Amino acid sequence: AQTVTQSQPEMSVQEAETVTLSCTYDTSESDYYLFWYKQPPSRQMILVIRQEAYKQQNATENRFSVNFQKAAKSFSLKISDSQLGDAAMYFCAFYSGGGADGLTFGKGTHLIIQP
Amino acid sequence: DVKVTQSSRYLVKRTGEKVFLECVQDMDHENMFWYRQDPGLGLRLIYFSYDVKMKEKGDIPEGYSVSREKKERFSLILESASTNQTSMYLCASSRLHSGNTIYFGEGSWLTVV
Repeated sequence: AQTVTQSQPEMSVQEAETVTLSCTYDTSESDYYLFWYKQPPSRQMILVIRQEAYKQQNATENRFSVNFQKAAKSFSLKISDSQLGDAAMYFCAFYSGGGADGLTFGKGTHLIIQP
Repeated sequence: DVKVTQSSRYLVKRTGEKVFLECVQDMDHENMFWYRQDPGLGLRLIYFSYDVKMKEKGDIPEGYSVSREKKERFSLILESASTNQTSMYLCASSRLHSGNTIYFGEGSWLTVV
């Protein structure tokens, strides 16, 4: 079974600064997908960013970018110019195929934005 | 926009009651999921379905069942609710290949007393 580890249960950052959330995973697969999901206090989880493992270029979505290190099995999320609306739980997820049980979530990182 | 709608945001039920949590998606997605979310445990898959009347057990199916009679609707059933089933329940849907984005509902907070 795959495992996804988010080693930071909680992170805090000043508004306008940059923060990096870490995620590591364990797999023997070579082709897979990685995701970061955001769950704000309203509770609806939304996709932040998606990375396909065969693509070497790191995905970017506006202020959100990832540092994908395939050999190290690391997939960190960088949030630049943090805003109050970025406060949320962030979940890293991994999918390698084989049905929905091939999708594994980390336990989440609670991000606090200090004004 | 994709919409996944969970019929009840907050429920309080008594131990032993039968509980239905309903979920509807409007994007003709093949896959539908029920997750349970607890602090410190992340999301755990209860059941998923990849087609009408098809279902597969996830990581924690005990005490739950599901029904998918129509493509857009996926119901989670607690046959006899227990206090340890107090939790947040998240419904989600996606296209058949799970490398596609999963879309979530707003969640249903269930308290069993």
